Amino acid sequence: RKEVEQDPGPFNVPEGATVAFNCTYSNSASQSFFWYRQDCRKEPKLLMSVYSSGNEDGRFTAQLNRASQYISLLIRDSKLSDSATYLCVVITSNTGKLIFGQGTTLQVKP
Amino acid sequence: NAGVMQNPRHLVRRRGQEARLRCSPMKGHSHVYWYRQLPEEGLKFMVYLQKENIIDESGMPKERFSAEFPKEGPSILRIQQVVRGDSAAYFCASSPGGQSLSNQPQHFGDGTRLSIL
Repeated sequence: RKEVEQDPGPFNVPEGATVAFNCTYSNSASQSFFWYRQDCRKEPKLLMSVYSSGNEDGRFTAQLNRASQYISLLIRDSKLSDSATYLCVVITSNTGKLIFGQGTTLQVKP
Repeated sequence: NAGVMQNPRHLVRRRGQEARLRCSPMKGHSHVYWYRQLPEEGLKFMVYLQKENIIDESGMPKERFSAEFPKEGPSILRIQQVVRGDSAAYFCASSPGGQSLSNQPQHFGDGTRLSIL
């Protein structure tokens, strides 16, 4: 079983749609959680950290459910520029190494 | 540019040659991580280094791969006797270190795309 699992998609949505991505992780001792964005296999860029209390940054909302070992990302009012691969990332070790999911591809269409 | 700097951006090698990939961390960062992204796959951790020390190399292939982060100069990922399967994007990330490594996001360089002919 992969340490971090995501539905690879692709998710094809029209502009303005709301889309949600989910991610599960296998290690219950995981300590920190992030969503990164990767465009065309360029360098991953940090989108946001994820907390149990939930956090919001503009059109993006992230949520962590430790009991279910489940992480989510909600994007409201999708823009064409949101088209990318969204990477669910977990830290399980005190060394800080990142464990990546395979990514979920989003394509926003006009 | 105060970000993580990697070079070269693209590297082409023939089978059996050596590849050297360089990474200079962000200013003030003393911790370097290397990740590899094979075609059609996600990023995988390779190695974590601090200055002059390899801390975690659990993701490194057992043979042909080595990494260093000398006291002066960039971190180097070295691949000897490259094979076609080494073709991938290699990303470096850095963090400032300190006591809370387990909750520090990392900032990535542009990566080196390695192609083996």
